[in-house]
Amino acid sequence: VQLVESGRGLVQPGRSLRLSCAASGFTFDDYAMHWVRQVPGKGLEWVAGISWDGDGINYADSVKGRFTVSRDNAKNFLYLQMNSLRTEDTALYYCVKGRIAAVLDAFDMWGRGTMVTVSS
Amino acid sequence: ETTLTQSPAFMSATPGDTVTISCKASRDVDDDMNWYQQKPGEPPIFIIQEATTLVPGIPPRFSGSGYGTDFTLTINNIESEDAAYYFCLQHDNFPLTFGGGTKVEIK
Repeated sequence: VQLVESGRGLVQPGRSLRLSCAASGFTFDDYAMHWVRQVPGKGLEWVAGISWDGDGINYADSVKGRFTVSRDNAKNFLYLQMNSLRTEDTALYYCVKGRIAAVLDAFDMWGRGTMVTVSS
Repeated sequence: ETTLTQSPAFMSATPGDTVTISCKASRDVDDDMNWYQQKPGEPPIFIIQEATTLVPGIPPRFSGSGYGTDFTLTINNIESEDAAYYFCLQHDNFPLTFGGGTKVEIK
């Protein structure tokens, strides 16, 4: 199982950024997928989750209305479109595999993460 | 939102010690509690699922207990390679939430 994030960058507040995650080594469309972020040296925050078919989507209140999670099961990719970025969105963003098809469950595999820095 | 309060935030142990880490939930989460290990510069590794079940491939010196609101991760006969950051995750309700983490240092 491999999850490889891309899309890292330094962006100004108010701008947008899209993260991608390439998944391999498992049947991608059998599992929910998530984005989790971690401020370096601090704790973890679940950001968003999407069910195996994309019909079930949930967000943390801190990103609701600004971030959009999506997936392309034909290409084995997970995405996170981040709009109206704020300085407090600065973090290492992990692509994370769910244990099952539904969103409300634990995670069993994490990517190495991609850094997003929001600063003027 | 279910708040997970983890303690202690830091602990130092000697090889061979038994270490216990607590995770208390602000509401009942049944057995929907999980534990992860994270070493510096590495992604987290899944070690305990459903509060008490050892994830395949994880050494049996790791164990979990608890139900409802009080959970414990125990590391028996701790080894130097167990030096890491440990955190809990509840998946009983949205938003999924994490404990604040415990850094375990091995002397």
